[in-house]
Amino acid sequence: NAGVTQTPKFRILKIGQSMTLQCTQDMNHNYMYWYRQDPGMGLKLIYYSVGAGITDKGEVPNGYNVSRSTTEDFPLRLELAAPSQTSVYFCASSYSPNIQYFGAGTRLSVL
Amino acid sequence: GDSVTQMEGPVTLSEEAFLTINCTYTATGYPSLFWYVQYPGEGLQLLLKATKADDKGSNKGFEATYRKETTSFHLEKGSVQVSDSAVYFCALSTMDSNYQLIWGAGTKLIIKP
Repeated sequence: NAGVTQTPKFRILKIGQSMTLQCTQDMNHNYMYWYRQDPGMGLKLIYYSVGAGITDKGEVPNGYNVSRSTTEDFPLRLELAAPSQTSVYFCASSYSPNIQYFGAGTRLSVL
Repeated sequence: GDSVTQMEGPVTLSEEAFLTINCTYTATGYPSLFWYVQYPGEGLQLLLKATKADDKGSNKGFEATYRKETTSFHLEKGSVQVSDSAVYFCALSTMDSNYQLIWGAGTKLIIKP
């Protein structure tokens, strides 16, 4: 019962560095999402995908990129890390858009 | 556009107290409504949902009733436990949002023994 798996759990980046946040789901869900959660705030949608090969921007896509080459994987790429990207990142998947299953999150600090 | 407003937290209660967390919404059409819960150090998980007016969602002793006349979906529990300490998120989805979830800011609940 792995569900949605995110790696790494924690990461510290220097300004300008790049990294990829990994997300894998084993539920054969078509829909996948990336959110960020800033302290004391709700979730903001970064990107989402409705199936392999299809991605679309959410509310706050600037500074991020995604790809969806398989149903299982939906990595999030930060190309030039900035302090404003310090946040907790959640990946989620679903068989319908409403009932989403979340990973445990990646806590990212950009210093 | 569509939006969800939750009461600000943190909400601090003693064990066995009655809980209400307010949630109101603005939406065109007929939204579906959800409560998600985030326990410390974990991702969010669906707590309950309601898809039409007057529906009552319930799970783990929590309840919420879809009130179209007051555009509300307040979360209630009769007797809270320390293990209910978490952040609770209200959310909606509509056809206009392509059925993507629109989230409230979350309400942190702290239960003291």
